[in-house]
Amino acid sequence: TQLLEQSPQFLSIQEGENLTVYCNSSSVFSSLQWYRQEPGEGPVLLVTVVTGGEVKKLKRLTFQFGDARKDSSLHITAAQPGDTGLYLCAGAGFNKFYFGSGTKLNVKP
Amino acid sequence: NAGVMQNPRHLVRRRGQEARLRCSPMKGHSHVYWYRQLPEEGLKFMVYLQKENIIDESGMPKERFSAEFPKEGPSILRIQQVVRGDSAAYFCASSPRSGDRGRTSNYGYTFGSGTRLTVV
Repeated sequence: TQLLEQSPQFLSIQEGENLTVYCNSSSVFSSLQWYRQEPGEGPVLLVTVVTGGEVKKLKRLTFQFGDARKDSSLHITAAQPGDTGLYLCAGAGFNKFYFGSGTKLNVKP
Repeated sequence: NAGVMQNPRHLVRRRGQEARLRCSPMKGHSHVYWYRQLPEEGLKFMVYLQKENIIDESGMPKERFSAEFPKEGPSILRIQQVVRGDSAAYFCASSPRSGDRGRTSNYGYTFGSGTRLTVV
């Protein structure tokens, strides 16, 4: 049973397009994090969101935490090939983070 | 490089052998977490340790798996009598502190590059 559902599972787009990926749960989280993982490497933390309704921007990436702290979205503007990777959301639990299964993004030049 | 160091990067073991995976946390980090990742899947929590203490091992299989984080030296994840189903990427992460009363710290994790275990 997956506590966090991410969608879509796979996304292949052209350079310059915009995209949004989603992370949904029926559980409330005190905080939620987004990571990006490249093949053969460990995940790298992109952002932590804590407050319901919070929006954080990181260059072309915009992260939003749902008002009820059950869901989050990641929007990428004008995607670039360097954005290619596996995007993972993780919800804070007791002594651990619960990870979604990820969205695999491929940005074609 | 002050990042989380894992070794080996790749490990091949025959069925029935032992696998020992090592993790040195970032300097100043005293909290270590081990996660397992199967292909095309997210990370599954295994164990959370502080120096000389196992805090939460709720994700560890009951048999064959053990973990330690001694006072000196790296954290070790040990898998005895490996089977094909143990083949996966094993990631270690560290953080500078935990949250209050078991809540996971909002500081987030710094992950190592992982050990890819293949059981043949």
